[in-house]
Amino acid sequence: AQSVSQHNHHVILSEAASLELGCNYSYGGTVNLFWYVQYPGQHLQLLLKYFSGDPLVKGIKGFEAEFIKSKFSFNLRKPSVQWSDTAEYFCAVTHIFGTGTRLKVLA
Amino acid sequence: GAGVSQSPSNKVTEKGKDVELRCDPISGHTALYWYRQSLGQGLEFLIYFQGNSAPDKSGLPSDRFSAERTGGSVSTLTIQRTQQEDSAVYLCASKARADYNEQFFGPGTRLTVL
Repeated sequence: AQSVSQHNHHVILSEAASLELGCNYSYGGTVNLFWYVQYPGQHLQLLLKYFSGDPLVKGIKGFEAEFIKSKFSFNLRKPSVQWSDTAEYFCAVTHIFGTGTRLKVLA
Repeated sequence: GAGVSQSPSNKVTEKGKDVELRCDPISGHTALYWYRQSLGQGLEFLIYFQGNSAPDKSGLPSDRFSAERTGGSVSTLTIQRTQQEDSAVYLCASKARADYNEQFFGPGTRLTVL
């Protein structure tokens, strides 16, 4: 069965801390991987995506993610978070989404 | 030029009533998705339309749920005989054809079943 697992459901960090959100997937077809973000009161929007080429992809606002095929993973990272990164983050493989991770950054 | 729109933004209904939720995708987008977002459940895939192909209905939770897409554009999600567990935010998204393209999401319809 196709599935996406996000291990961290709630994360609380102080500003300037480093962030890594885990994402593992089980999918039988061509893998197109996405991270979406939902800021409070806003629509879901794309953060970054991977479909081929360099497995380290960079997105908006300093976020990056690494596709590791052998681990079926696509973890999201940011070296130094800001208060404005407070949001809910969703990993997806095509149209299959994980349960999301709520990130709260303390000023 | 606008993004994906959904109506109504909020819907309160009584248990057992039928509801219809509408989605207007971005013009030219051939793919359209419906999801259900419940607290702590993430985004639950419901149904996917791609052009004139038969829709992928594999995510519909029961036969009370159905959706159609007329003329390859506007879509309606219908929930018959609503139950309290149907209460959630229903999201619609559209995208251009290629699989590597991202989805663009609407604001959602918050459904409350009393």
